[in-house]
Amino acid sequence: GQSLEQPSEVTAVEGAIVQINCTYQTSGFYGLSWYQQHDGGAPTFLSYNALDGLEETGRFSSFLSRSDSYGYLLLQELQMKDSASYFCAVRDYGYGGSQGNLIFGKGTKLSVKP
Amino acid sequence: DAGVIQSPRHEVTEMGQEVTLRCKPISGHDYLFWYRQTMMRGLELLIYFNNNVPIDDSGMPEDRFSAKMPNASFSTLKIQPSEPRDSAVYFCASIKPGTIEALGAYNEQFFGPGTRLTVL
Repeated sequence: GQSLEQPSEVTAVEGAIVQINCTYQTSGFYGLSWYQQHDGGAPTFLSYNALDGLEETGRFSSFLSRSDSYGYLLLQELQMKDSASYFCAVRDYGYGGSQGNLIFGKGTKLSVKP
Repeated sequence: DAGVIQSPRHEVTEMGQEVTLRCKPISGHDYLFWYRQTMMRGLELLIYFNNNVPIDDSGMPEDRFSAKMPNASFSTLKIQPSEPRDSAVYFCASIKPGTIEALGAYNEQFFGPGTRLTVL
Protein backbone atom coordinates (compact mmCIF):
# COMPACT_ATOMS: atom_id res chain seq x y z
CA GLY A 1 0.00 0.00 0.00
CA GLN A 2 0.90 3.64 -0.15
CA SER A 3 1.18 5.71 2.98
CA LEU A 4 2.71 8.84 4.38
CA GLU A 5 3.09 9.20 8.12
CA GLN A 6 3.48 12.47 9.94
CA PRO A 7 2.59 13.58 13.49
CA SER A 8 -0.94 14.83 13.88
CA GLU A 9 -0.12 17.78 16.12
CA VAL A 10 2.88 19.81 17.22
CA THR A 11 2.99 22.75 19.62
CA ALA A 12 5.82 25.26 19.95
CA VAL A 13 6.43 28.80 21.17
CA GLU A 14 7.23 31.91 19.19
CA GLY A 15 10.86 32.16 18.21
CA ALA A 16 11.48 28.45 18.60
CA ILE A 17 12.46 25.86 16.01
CA VAL A 18 10.20 22.96 15.14
CA GLN A 19 10.75 19.91 12.96
CA ILE A 20 7.88 18.03 11.31
CA ASN A 21 8.81 14.54 10.18
CA CYS A 22 7.38 12.54 7.32
CA THR A 23 7.99 8.92 6.44
CA TYR A 24 6.58 7.46 3.27
CA GLN A 25 5.90 4.17 1.60
CA THR A 26 4.81 4.48 -2.03
CA SER A 27 5.00 2.43 -5.18
CA GLY A 28 7.08 5.10 -6.87
CA PHE A 29 8.90 8.21 -5.84
CA TYR A 30 9.74 11.33 -7.76
CA GLY A 31 10.15 13.72 -4.87
CA LEU A 32 8.82 14.99 -1.56
CA SER A 33 6.86 18.23 -1.28
CA TRP A 34 5.56 20.27 1.61
CA TYR A 35 2.38 22.34 1.65
CA GLN A 36 0.99 24.75 4.23
CA GLN A 37 -2.72 25.16 4.89
CA HIS A 38 -4.25 27.70 7.25
CA ASP A 39 -7.66 26.94 8.73
CA GLY A 40 -10.32 27.55 6.10
CA GLY A 41 -7.71 28.16 3.44
CA ALA A 42 -6.20 26.33 0.52
CA PRO A 43 -2.93 24.38 0.54
CA THR A 44 0.01 26.45 -0.65
CA PHE A 45 3.33 25.10 -1.85
CA LEU A 46 6.34 25.49 0.42
CA SER A 47 9.18 23.33 -0.85
CA TYR A 48 10.27 20.31 -2.82
CA ASN A 49 13.11 17.79 -2.54
CA ALA A 50 13.95 15.42 -5.36
CA LEU A 51 17.44 14.58 -4.14
CA ASP A 52 18.88 13.81 -0.72
CA GLY A 53 19.86 16.76 1.38
CA LEU A 54 18.63 20.02 2.75
CA GLU A 55 16.82 22.75 0.83
CA GLU A 56 16.55 26.13 2.49
CA THR A 57 14.00 28.83 1.75
CA GLY A 58 14.10 31.63 4.25
CA ARG A 59 12.94 30.45 7.67
CA PHE A 60 11.81 27.12 6.23
CA SER A 61 14.05 24.21 5.28
CA SER A 62 13.20 20.76 3.99
CA PHE A 63 15.27 17.63 4.14
CA LEU A 64 15.09 14.32 2.30
CA SER A 65 16.74 10.94 2.75
CA ARG A 66 15.56 8.63 0.00
CA SER A 67 17.36 5.61 1.44
CA ASP A 68 15.36 6.03 4.66
CA SER A 69 12.12 7.07 2.91
CA TYR A 70 12.12 10.02 5.27
CA GLY A 71 11.98 13.75 5.17
CA TYR A 72 11.28 16.68 7.41
CA LEU A 73 10.25 20.29 7.34
CA LEU A 74 12.16 22.61 9.65
CA LEU A 75 10.62 25.90 10.68
CA GLN A 76 12.86 28.42 12.40
CA GLU A 77 12.11 31.63 14.28
CA LEU A 78 8.51 30.59 14.62
CA GLN A 79 5.86 33.28 14.30
CA MET A 80 2.20 33.20 15.26
CA LYS A 81 1.27 33.26 11.59
CA ASP A 82 3.01 29.88 11.15
CA SER A 83 0.13 28.25 13.00
CA ALA A 84 -1.32 26.05 10.29
CA SER A 85 -1.41 22.48 9.04
CA TYR A 86 1.59 21.19 7.15
CA PHE A 87 1.31 18.36 4.64
CA CYS A 88 4.02 16.25 3.10
CA ALA A 89 3.25 14.88 -0.35
CA VAL A 90 4.94 12.37 -2.60
CA ARG A 91 4.78 12.40 -6.36
CA ASP A 92 3.96 8.84 -7.27
CA TYR A 93 3.81 6.80 -10.42
CA GLY A 94 0.44 7.26 -12.01
CA TYR A 95 -2.37 4.92 -12.79
CA GLY A 96 -2.11 3.24 -16.17
CA GLY A 97 1.20 4.82 -16.98
CA SER A 98 0.18 8.40 -16.40
CA GLN A 99 2.71 10.96 -15.23
CA GLY A 100 1.73 10.52 -11.63
CA ASN A 101 0.08 12.58 -9.03
CA LEU A 102 0.63 13.84 -5.51
CA ILE A 103 -0.23 11.65 -2.54
CA PHE A 104 -0.67 13.72 0.60
CA GLY A 105 -0.08 12.85 4.24
CA LYS A 106 -2.83 13.54 6.76
CA GLY A 107 -1.16 16.74 7.87
CA THR A 108 0.45 18.06 11.04
CA LYS A 109 -1.36 20.82 12.88
CA LEU A 110 1.20 23.27 14.24
CA SER A 111 0.15 25.57 17.05
CA VAL A 112 2.49 28.43 17.85
CA LYS A 113 2.02 29.89 21.34
CA PRO A 114 3.16 33.33 22.51
CA ASP B 1 -3.23 36.76 -12.19
CA ALA B 2 -6.48 35.94 -10.42
CA GLY B 3 -5.40 32.50 -9.31
CA VAL B 4 -7.54 29.39 -9.46
CA ILE B 5 -11.22 30.27 -9.10
CA GLN B 6 -13.83 27.96 -7.66
CA SER B 7 -17.56 28.35 -7.27
CA PRO B 8 -19.60 28.17 -5.24
CA ARG B 9 -17.54 28.67 -2.09
CA HIS B 10 -20.20 27.02 0.04
CA GLU B 11 -22.94 24.63 -0.96
CA VAL B 12 -25.61 23.13 1.26
CA THR B 13 -27.92 20.62 -0.31
CA GLU B 14 -30.14 17.74 0.59
CA MET B 15 -29.39 14.10 0.03
CA GLY B 16 -30.33 12.98 -3.44
CA GLN B 17 -29.83 16.34 -5.09
CA GLU B 18 -27.38 16.98 -7.90
CA VAL B 19 -24.38 19.12 -7.06
CA THR B 20 -22.11 20.83 -9.57
CA LEU B 21 -18.81 22.36 -8.54
CA ARG B 22 -16.93 24.66 -10.88
CA CYS B 23 -13.30 25.52 -11.39
CA LYS B 24 -11.39 27.96 -13.54
CA PRO B 25 -7.65 27.20 -13.59
CA ILE B 26 -4.95 29.81 -13.90
CA SER B 27 -4.79 30.98 -17.49
CA GLY B 28 -2.30 28.98 -19.49
CA HIS B 29 -2.01 26.12 -17.02
CA ASP B 30 -2.45 22.78 -18.76
CA TYR B 31 -2.99 20.40 -15.85
CA LEU B 32 -6.04 20.53 -13.62
CA PHE B 33 -6.62 18.42 -10.50
CA TRP B 34 -9.71 17.84 -8.38
CA TYR B 35 -9.20 16.95 -4.69
CA ARG B 36 -11.48 16.19 -1.79
CA GLN B 37 -10.49 16.95 1.81
CA THR B 38 -12.07 15.48 4.95
CA MET B 39 -10.83 15.11 8.48
CA MET B 40 -10.93 11.35 8.25
CA ARG B 41 -9.33 10.79 4.87
CA GLY B 42 -7.25 13.94 4.43
CA LEU B 43 -6.59 15.33 0.97
CA GLU B 44 -7.43 12.85 -1.77
CA LEU B 45 -6.94 13.21 -5.51
CA LEU B 46 -10.15 12.46 -7.40
CA ILE B 47 -9.19 13.06 -11.02
CA TYR B 48 -6.81 15.08 -13.12
CA PHE B 49 -6.77 16.44 -16.66
CA ASN B 50 -4.03 17.35 -19.08
CA ASN B 51 -4.97 19.62 -21.95
CA ASN B 52 -8.65 19.02 -21.12
CA VAL B 53 -8.29 15.23 -21.34
CA PRO B 54 -8.89 13.11 -18.23
CA ILE B 55 -5.65 11.27 -17.44
CA ASP B 56 -6.26 9.52 -14.15
CA ASP B 57 -9.70 9.08 -12.60
CA SER B 58 -8.78 6.22 -10.30
CA GLY B 59 -9.58 8.38 -7.29
CA MET B 60 -13.20 9.01 -8.25
CA PRO B 61 -15.08 7.23 -5.47
CA GLU B 62 -17.99 5.87 -7.48
CA ASP B 63 -20.23 6.39 -10.48
CA ARG B 64 -22.12 9.15 -8.74
CA PHE B 65 -19.09 11.36 -9.37
CA SER B 66 -18.23 12.71 -12.80
CA ALA B 67 -15.89 15.42 -14.02
CA LYS B 68 -15.54 17.27 -17.28
CA MET B 69 -13.24 19.83 -18.78
CA PRO B 70 -14.89 21.17 -21.93
CA ASN B 71 -12.18 23.76 -22.50
CA ALA B 72 -8.88 24.97 -21.07
CA SER B 73 -10.50 27.49 -18.76
CA PHE B 74 -13.32 25.53 -17.17
CA SER B 75 -13.95 22.27 -15.37
CA THR B 76 -16.87 20.82 -13.44
CA LEU B 77 -17.20 18.12 -10.82
CA LYS B 78 -20.70 16.72 -10.55
CA ILE B 79 -22.20 14.52 -7.87
CA GLN B 80 -25.52 12.90 -8.67
CA PRO B 81 -27.19 11.89 -6.45
CA SER B 82 -25.41 13.44 -3.49
CA GLU B 83 -25.12 11.66 -0.12
CA PRO B 84 -24.21 12.94 3.36
CA ARG B 85 -20.84 11.16 3.18
CA ASP B 86 -19.92 13.41 0.25
CA SER B 87 -19.71 16.35 2.65
CA ALA B 88 -16.17 17.69 2.35
CA VAL B 89 -14.12 20.55 0.99
CA TYR B 90 -13.43 20.13 -2.71
CA PHE B 91 -10.36 21.80 -4.16
CA CYS B 92 -9.15 22.15 -7.68
CA ALA B 93 -5.55 22.91 -8.52
CA SER B 94 -3.53 23.62 -11.63
CA ILE B 95 0.11 23.63 -12.63
CA LYS B 96 2.15 25.58 -15.12
CA PRO B 97 2.55 24.27 -18.67
CA GLY B 98 5.66 22.47 -19.67
CA THR B 99 6.63 21.61 -16.13
CA ILE B 100 5.67 17.97 -16.11
CA GLU B 101 9.12 17.02 -17.26
CA ALA B 102 10.79 19.36 -14.83
CA LEU B 103 10.94 17.17 -11.82
CA GLY B 104 10.78 19.92 -9.28
CA ALA B 105 8.26 22.27 -10.79
CA TYR B 106 5.61 19.64 -11.27
CA ASN B 107 5.10 19.44 -7.56
CA GLU B 108 4.04 23.05 -7.21
CA GLN B 109 0.31 22.91 -7.55
CA PHE B 110 -1.74 26.10 -7.28
CA PHE B 111 -4.91 25.44 -5.33
CA GLY B 112 -8.21 27.25 -5.53
CA PRO B 113 -10.00 28.43 -2.37
CA GLY B 114 -12.17 25.32 -2.27
CA THR B 115 -15.90 24.59 -2.14
CA ARG B 116 -17.28 23.49 1.22
CA LEU B 117 -20.05 21.02 0.47
CA THR B 118 -22.58 19.98 3.08
CA VAL B 119 -25.11 17.30 2.18
CA LEU B 120 -27.92 17.02 4.71
